[in-house]
Amino acid sequence: KAGVTQTPRYLIKTRGQQVTLSCSPISGHRSVSWYQQTPGQGLQFLFEYFSETQRNKGNFPGRFSGRQFSNSRSEMNVSTLELGDSALYLCASRAGETEAFFGQGTRLTVV
Amino acid sequence: AQSVTQLGSHVSVSEGALVLLRCNYSSSVPPYLFWYVQYPNQGLQLLLKYTTGATLVKGINGFEAEFKKSETSFHLTKPSAHMSDAAEYFCAVSAGRGGADGLTFGKGTHLIIQP
Repeated sequence: KAGVTQTPRYLIKTRGQQVTLSCSPISGHRSVSWYQQTPGQGLQFLFEYFSETQRNKGNFPGRFSGRQFSNSRSEMNVSTLELGDSALYLCASRAGETEAFFGQGTRLTVV
Repeated sequence: AQSVTQLGSHVSVSEGALVLLRCNYSSSVPPYLFWYVQYPNQGLQLLLKYTTGATLVKGINGFEAEFKKSETSFHLTKPSAHMSDAAEYFCAVSAGRGGADGLTFGKGTHLIIQP
């Protein structure tokens, strides 16, 4: 059974640009959540989607957005990138009320 | 609201020695508790979880943790450390329902194994 797949693995963007990250959950998992990991703030919850609906959102500015498609694949978008957005972005999928399985992450560097 | 405190950002043990990583949580509702491990440039791998039932839970790679409600703790242990255990460990809590409200993570503990 394939795990959670995140693409791309590495990304370099310039300040002010926007970026879209992709996440394919484990087959059959309908819940996808996103986390930001930085050395200073640690792991922080961004948002969670279930059946194409955002169920919960963390304390991040509106520049951070996401969506989920009918096949449960999810994308997150960050607009007007800032240097502080440099981080490892992790996606996790769940089947119902179970533990979250994480992908390898996308390392975003903003220059 | 939930919170997690991991005591010790770095823990160093000798190979073969006991590993003890401490985690205390705060939750206004019965929590679900998790330990994850992260190797460099990798995602998070679940070691073990507590949801309900038996308070001593066993996980992968010889790790186990005990949920102590009175102490609001969920410490991770392994009887004998191996070099391959060197990694970053994260304790996490969710407000039940398996994390529908998102996982709240501790700051992490970097485990160093001395040969």
